[in-house]
Amino acid sequence: QQQVKQSPQSLIVQKGGIPIINCAYENTAFDYFPWYQQFPGKGPALLIAIRPDVSEKKEGRFTISFNKSAKQFSLHIMDSQPGDSATYFCAASSGTYKYIFGTGTRLKVLA
Amino acid sequence: GAGVSQTPSNKVTEKGKYVELRCDPISGHTALYWYRQSLGQGPEFLIYFQGTGAADDSGLPNDRFFAVRPEGSVSTLKIQRTERGDSAVYLCASSPSPLSPIADTQYFGPGTRLTVL
Repeated sequence: QQQVKQSPQSLIVQKGGIPIINCAYENTAFDYFPWYQQFPGKGPALLIAIRPDVSEKKEGRFTISFNKSAKQFSLHIMDSQPGDSATYFCAASSGTYKYIFGTGTRLKVLA
Repeated sequence: GAGVSQTPSNKVTEKGKYVELRCDPISGHTALYWYRQSLGQGPEFLIYFQGTGAADDSGLPNDRFFAVRPEGSVSTLKIQRTERGDSAVYLCASSPSPLSPIADTQYFGPGTRLTVL
């Protein structure tokens, strides 16, 4: 119930491609779904977040799609760049509370 | 400072020793979280403070782990009798007051990499 399942584990795309990372959850009490980007040796940095009352949110080149009935959400990175190469984590929380993180997706964008 | 800071950035210790890891949250943030991140994994929750009190310590793996936040700002994670399995990156995060419109957002520090030999 507390798990957040993330896929794929790793992803390689060409520059300009649109990598898509998917997450699924079970706990319907979750009401906040952030995505974090992490570079080696650094802490996770917030990219974008969504709440269940909207189906899509865009910030710059990053888009979250949210499907409440399927209990799934995904991150799309438009016009991906080599500098986007990092590990991406989805997470979920209920209220102002602890995050449950996915297992991460290692993205490599080829120049 | 502008962000969450953690010290030390790296800590190497021997099995059985005691270690303390420090977290300075963003000024004014009332909530503070500790997570542990093993290699190739997502962060796992350890403990959550709202103000000075531990609101949820259900993620602490055993009684060798303890954390304090005596004045509602800086927090220290304490690990007694360290074991090799404690080796990981320990991350601290903070978030604003529950009354803030961005209370759900956690801001992470760079982490402390703990290595137990």
